[in-house]
Amino acid sequence: KAGVTQTPRYLIKTRGQQVTLSCSPISGHRSVSWYQQTPGQGLQFLFEYFSETQRNKGNFPGRFSGRQFSNSRSEMNVSTLELGDSALYLCASKVDIQETQYFGPGTRLLVL
Amino acid sequence: KQEVTQIPAALSVPEGENLVLNCSFTDSAIYNLQWFRQDPGKGLTSLLLIQSSQREQTSGRLNASLDKSSGRSTLYIAASQPGDSATYLCAVKGGANNLFFGTGTRLTVIP
Repeated sequence: KAGVTQTPRYLIKTRGQQVTLSCSPISGHRSVSWYQQTPGQGLQFLFEYFSETQRNKGNFPGRFSGRQFSNSRSEMNVSTLELGDSALYLCASKVDIQETQYFGPGTRLLVL
Repeated sequence: KQEVTQIPAALSVPEGENLVLNCSFTDSAIYNLQWFRQDPGKGLTSLLLIQSSQREQTSGRLNASLDKSSGRSTLYIAASQPGDSATYLCAVKGGANNLFFGTGTRLTVIP
């Protein structure tokens, strides 16, 4: 089975722009979670989607949003980018009844 | 809010040595605890998952223990190899289904 894929792998944006990141889960996985990883704050949970519905949400401002499609692929969007949004964004998928998440390689976002 | 801390932040050991990584958490009301490894520029790989009702889990040279009452977990790596060099993260799952990650321990195994 193919692993979790994320596109693009690298992205450079400027302050005030918006960005959309994509995540394709492992086939058969309907749960997709997103995380932000920065040197200062470490890994923080953004949100989880299951069957096209947001099931859980971390403590991030409304500029961070996401959605999930019927094929379980997920996108996250960050509007009005700030310098502090520079980070590695990871998504993870899992079979809902199991606990183990499988992570993608991440999208590294740099905001200038 | 759950706080997860890992000590030490970095560790260098010679190849073949046994080592222990530590993880502590402030809220003992957890569902499970996981250990991950992260290689530079890559995502996370799940190593071991311990349910709250379990005391330990083993996989090959890795053994993880959990003491919920004291808010601690350890990851024991036997006979370390250069390929074990990576950052190791622990994460606890709370009631809201969130994963709270520790700060990580960067391990270097010197050949």
